[in-house]
Amino acid sequence: NAGVTQTPKFRVLKTGQSMTLLCAQDMNHEYMYWYRQDPGMGLRLIHYSVGEGTTAKGEVPDGYNVSRLKKQNFLLGLESAAPSQTSVYFCASSYSGFSYEQYFGPGTRLTVT
Amino acid sequence: SQKIEQNSEALNIQEGKTATLTCNYTNYSPAYLQWYRQDPGRGPVFLLLIRENEKEKRKERLKVTFDTTLKQSLFHITASQPADSATYLCALPARRGNTPLVFGKGTRLSVIA
Repeated sequence: NAGVTQTPKFRVLKTGQSMTLLCAQDMNHEYMYWYRQDPGMGLRLIHYSVGEGTTAKGEVPDGYNVSRLKKQNFLLGLESAAPSQTSVYFCASSYSGFSYEQYFGPGTRLTVT
Repeated sequence: SQKIEQNSEALNIQEGKTATLTCNYTNYSPAYLQWYRQDPGRGPVFLLLIRENEKEKRKERLKVTFDTTLKQSLFHITASQPADSATYLCALPARRGNTPLVFGKGTRLSVIA
């Protein structure tokens, strides 16, 4: 099992550019999450999904969109990148329900100049 | 929404001693609380979950307590080793009911040989 994988690992964008981060899990988990982690701010939930075809907003959703067309994949999109979106992005998944342990990916370090 | 406070400063401890980390929450008492470990440059890894009706939970050298009166969870590592050096995060439901987790900012533990 690869667990949770994220693509890419690093990315540099110019302000206004767009990109998509891909998260994949091979554990047949229902729930998937996207977080960002900034120094001094901790992990903050951007969007989450409780099943294929469903998505919901988290704590800091502005500037991001997501899609969960397949159960194993959760995509995070930035339509027009801003320097404030410079961060480390983590994807996670859990079996079913928010109380289940979350399995995290290795992270994507995004820099917006 | 729930607010979490963890020791904001780093905790330095001598090898072999017991490390104690604190997680305080400010609003309602959650049904459960989770602890994660995060190493530099990597995603968090789940360690333990404790439910509101459990006073204590153990896993090898780890022990978690949950005091709903004090609105506090303590995370103990006994016989600490340099390999235990990491940042430790607590997480609990953001609101009453079936809701996503909110994470604390974490406490960085350094175990000195």
